[in-house]
Amino acid sequence: EAGVAQSPRYKIIEKRQSVAFWCNPISGHATLYWYQQILGQGPKLLIQFQNNGVVDDSQLPKDRFSAERLKGVDSTLKIQPAKLEDSAVYLCASSLIFPVGGYNEQFFGPGTRLTVL
Amino acid sequence: SQQGEEDPQALSIQEGENATMNCSYKTSINNLQWYRQNSGRGLVHLILIRSNEREKHSGRLRVTLDTSKKSSSLLITASRAADTASYFCATDTDNYGQNFVFGPGTRLSVLP
Repeated sequence: EAGVAQSPRYKIIEKRQSVAFWCNPISGHATLYWYQQILGQGPKLLIQFQNNGVVDDSQLPKDRFSAERLKGVDSTLKIQPAKLEDSAVYLCASSLIFPVGGYNEQFFGPGTRLTVL
Repeated sequence: SQQGEEDPQALSIQEGENATMNCSYKTSINNLQWYRQNSGRGLVHLILIRSNEREKHSGRLRVTLDTSKKSSSLLITASRAADTASYFCATDTDNYGQNFVFGPGTRLSVLP
């Protein structure tokens, strides 16, 4: 079974430039997550989709970050304009839909390492 | 906001020794998970323990949960060099089990 795919794996940009990351979840996984992981810290949830709808984007800096999952499959995360503090690894994860009180494992992609100069 | 805090921040042991990492959290949880992250890779789910469970085993891994102390521990027995990684605990506080908050992690180095 193919895992979560992400591209690019590495990106270096200058501040104020724009950047976009792509994620293709595991086939059949309706829930998709984007996390930001700053060096030395744990991942922080940015946005969660269920199919093509947003479930939680409370920690997404909406003045510069945007994400979409138009067809309920793959997703893009964009930063415009980038700041130095956006340097981090951006992780995508996916999981099945599950009932209230249940649990489904999140499967993570390898991440995109962003460096903002 | 950060829910879980792992302790220690870094741990260095010899191959064959046991490694114990701890996680403390602040609010009531439904589930607590442990993840491993090798250098340059995504996270891999290791084990989940529910709030009504006290101990779980998976191969060389043993996880305990003490909800009265709001803490969990991950024990890796007979460690191997391949266990070198960062280990994170993640807690969920909602009834949907979808919204996990990760701690800052413990960096484990297993020396050959």
